[in-house]
Amino acid sequence: SAVISQKPSRDICQRGTSLTIQCQVDSQVTMMFWYRQQPGQSLTLIATANQGSEATYESGFVIDKFPISRPNLTFSTLTVSNMSPEDSSIYLCSAIRGGASEKLFFGSGTQLSVL
Amino acid sequence: EDKVVQSPLSLVVHEGDTVTLNCSYEVTNFRSLLWYKQEKKAPTFLFMLTSSGIEKKSGRLSSILDKKELFSILNITATQTGDSAIYLCAVNTGTASKLTFGTGTRLQVTL
Repeated sequence: SAVISQKPSRDICQRGTSLTIQCQVDSQVTMMFWYRQQPGQSLTLIATANQGSEATYESGFVIDKFPISRPNLTFSTLTVSNMSPEDSSIYLCSAIRGGASEKLFFGSGTQLSVL
Repeated sequence: EDKVVQSPLSLVVHEGDTVTLNCSYEVTNFRSLLWYKQEKKAPTFLFMLTSSGIEKKSGRLSSILDKKELFSILNITATQTGDSAIYLCAVNTGTASKLTFGTGTRLQVTL
């Protein structure tokens, strides 16, 4: 399994500001993903973080709102831009080491509250 | 659109009871089904199922997949208060290893 460190663990932010969440994996992984879990909801995939290139976003998510970087095989960031209260969620970084048959591991999560 | 449905949505049981959680799915391309336990923020991996009829077991937890009827169950025997959590089912549809999650079952185990 991979150990995934995510920070900050939680934050309270003002409307209109931006927050960058960092994700560090303890070993090289093939794929990294960012998920969102809104209150009372299940996990929704935001995007696949691609190393050295633009992330692949799911329907309903755009780069201007959720810019993602992945400069190497073990590190990624997600920025939540121009936040509104609707962005209050848990944001989870996840990774797979091998191919599609490998299980997905999750970081510790970031609890974001937007006032 | 791929869909994963879990039932019940929530469940309250007494310590020592046995529970069965259900997960059904409709996806265009199935590779595997995974179960996770979410106690606080981070889901922790329980099982990955790829073949029908083969039970996976870990202590008091077990799970099985039926690819013909498109569902899986997660059993927990002799429940303990530490089993209280949200249990998530997810399906890997093979499209770049992305997972589609169900809404989860919130389990509460009382003394």
